[in-house]
Amino acid sequence: DQQVKQNSPSLSVQEGRISILNCDYTNSMFDYFLWYKKYPAEGPTFLISISSIKDKNEDGRFTVFLNKSAKHLSLHIVPSQPGDSAVYFCAASGSGGSNYKLTFGKGTLLTVNP
Amino acid sequence: GAVVSQHPSWVICKSGTSVKIECRSLDFQATTMFWYRQFPKQSLMLMATSNEGSKATYEQGVEKDKFLINHASLTLSTLTVTSAHPEDSSFYICSAGRLAGGADTQYFGPGTRLTVL
Repeated sequence: DQQVKQNSPSLSVQEGRISILNCDYTNSMFDYFLWYKKYPAEGPTFLISISSIKDKNEDGRFTVFLNKSAKHLSLHIVPSQPGDSAVYFCAASGSGGSNYKLTFGKGTLLTVNP
Repeated sequence: GAVVSQHPSWVICKSGTSVKIECRSLDFQATTMFWYRQFPKQSLMLMATSNEGSKATYEQGVEKDKFLINHASLTLSTLTVTSAHPEDSSFYICSAGRLAGGADTQYFGPGTRLTVL
């Protein structure tokens, strides 16, 4: 049972345009969501996160939107740059003290074309 | 801040030998560290949660006698793959949990590529 789903395995965008990466979840106990960027043969790099008490969090070119009722979140990258080309993983965590355990989606390969 | 290192970055070993991978949080203390495994073109699979000073919690299907985890200090966790076999060849990644902005965030190491011949 896949609790975090990234239904688009890949996305191709032109440089300068907006990239929108989507993620859906099924577990209503999740209350903290993160996006990671990963290059081949490297560990994931933390990008941005959002708590369930918010519906938007912005950090530079990256904005994450959370729609709790739809159990959906998205990552917007504006403007997209060729260096953004990587696999993006959505991850979710449940509430409770030291419960850091993350559930990951399968990732979306973003390609930003010059 | 929030830098996590792994050593070695890659290792090749013979079947039947044991391999130890170290994970260190360089600029923060991590009560909890995690070990993941990634197969080609697949997502990260959590293997176990490592808590400093206590036994690791393994995910279903992960053999605890094969993948020994030790979390000896707040900055170091080790994963030992015992009696490695070719099917253990994979990319192993650790992460360390850190409270950031009021919530827990995992910061990942660069990964270790294990190849068992």
